Amino acid sequence: GNSVTQMEGPVTLSEEAFLTINCTYTATGYPSLFWYVQYPGEGLQLLLKATKADDKGSNKGFEATYRKETTSFHLEKGSVQVSDSAVYFCALLNYGGSQGNLIFGKGTKLSVKP
Amino acid sequence: DVKVTQSSRYLVKRTGEKVFLECVQDMDHENMFWYRQDPGLGLRLIYFSYDVKMKEKGDIPEGYSVSREKKERFSLILESASTNQTSMYLCASSDLRRGSGANVLTFGAGSRLTVL
Repeated sequence: GNSVTQMEGPVTLSEEAFLTINCTYTATGYPSLFWYVQYPGEGLQLLLKATKADDKGSNKGFEATYRKETTSFHLEKGSVQVSDSAVYFCALLNYGGSQGNLIFGKGTKLSVKP
Repeated sequence: DVKVTQSSRYLVKRTGEKVFLECVQDMDHENMFWYRQDPGLGLRLIYFSYDVKMKEKGDIPEGYSVSREKKERFSLILESASTNQTSMYLCASSDLRRGSGANVLTFGAGSRLTVL
């Protein structure tokens, strides 16, 4: 079946540090991949997405590249800010079967200290 | 911008009570979803709907039901609340269509339910 595995948190970094949050997936066919972010007290919102192999999604300084050979979609940012503190969810969308819903990882909490 | 509005941010209910969680979206999206979010478990799909009066079970439908009488409104119902249903409930909508490529869920702010 389809699944998403992302690194467990929490991750604590100092401001301006480099961020990587690992995400790997299992899926049949050619899924689309997403990163969602949840700021404290809010619902999830889309951060970036990629729809096919070798696509790079980017937004707000975050990037992730769809790597089919390694079934990965790792999230990176070169210099994090305190305002990036949030929970990050990797997700997969596959049209297999009768359901077209997102499959989420368990989330990684990021805390950035000044 | 698409807006998904969940009517209650915080609710406290007693075991055995009937609970209604309401969700309204304003962008004419066909698809609506209810998830629950728990620490260490991430998001789990309870029910979803692709059209009015249509519903499909997600991964954890037990103890829940839903209602979609109008396109913009998707209600989650706990017929007899139990303490293990204490959680954050997230509603989402999208215009997902099969074969149309990647689509995006837009989430509400969440409803935190405590069952005593």
